[in-house]
Amino acid sequence: AIRITQSPSSLSASTGDRVTITCRASQGISSYLAWYQQKPGKAPKLLIYAASTLQSGVPSRFSGSGSGTDFTLTISCLQSEDFATYYCQQYYSYPSTFGQGTKLEIK
Amino acid sequence: QVQLVESGGGVVQPGRSLRLSCAASGFTFSSYGMHWVRQAPGKGLEWVAVIWYDGSNKYYADSVKGRFTISRDNSKNTLYLQMNSLRAEDTAVYYCARGKRVFAESNAFDIWGQGTMVTVSS
Repeated sequence: AIRITQSPSSLSASTGDRVTITCRASQGISSYLAWYQQKPGKAPKLLIYAASTLQSGVPSRFSGSGSGTDFTLTISCLQSEDFATYYCQQYYSYPSTFGQGTKLEIK
Repeated sequence: QVQLVESGGGVVQPGRSLRLSCAASGFTFSSYGMHWVRQAPGKGLEWVAVIWYDGSNKYYADSVKGRFTISRDNSKNTLYLQMNSLRAEDTAVYYCARGKRVFAESNAFDIWGQGTMVTVSS
């Protein structure tokens, strides 16, 4: 199975900050990577797919980049509603695998 | 509107069985691959299984292979997860999710249900 290493596991930031979360795959996955946001007690929400394509309805302050093994999610100008847990996921091959998650907290 | 609604969760003893259902509405269910994803309390997401849009192919996580079976009834717009020989470590919220692209083998998951809790305990 392809392992996904996500970092950091937690992150403190303030409203208006720019933050970056990274994921590294144990082998090349082309651009078959997605990013999700999850708030407590809720289902995950798709933010980005194909490494850099913004899902419909997602604010443009979210962006993704990377291909092969290294990927980043950037949130520019954090808003209060962005404080949540973020996961990356590879869907290049089965079993699909998720990163361990990054909890984004208010500083 | 596009919606997935899971049901069938509950408390079950180790070694017993449970069947989860996921009712789809608002889209052409038979055109999409469907997945189960679980999340143990306080933990991250774990992909469980996928079934192709036509039921022709299925894959499982190693942790459930041989114990869980994914299936679908396209005439009823419903996805299922039959869980046998349940263990304490299967305790989790189980989500069904839709693959984003029609007829595609691999996908991000663009629609998720609200989840159903399964607790395996004696």
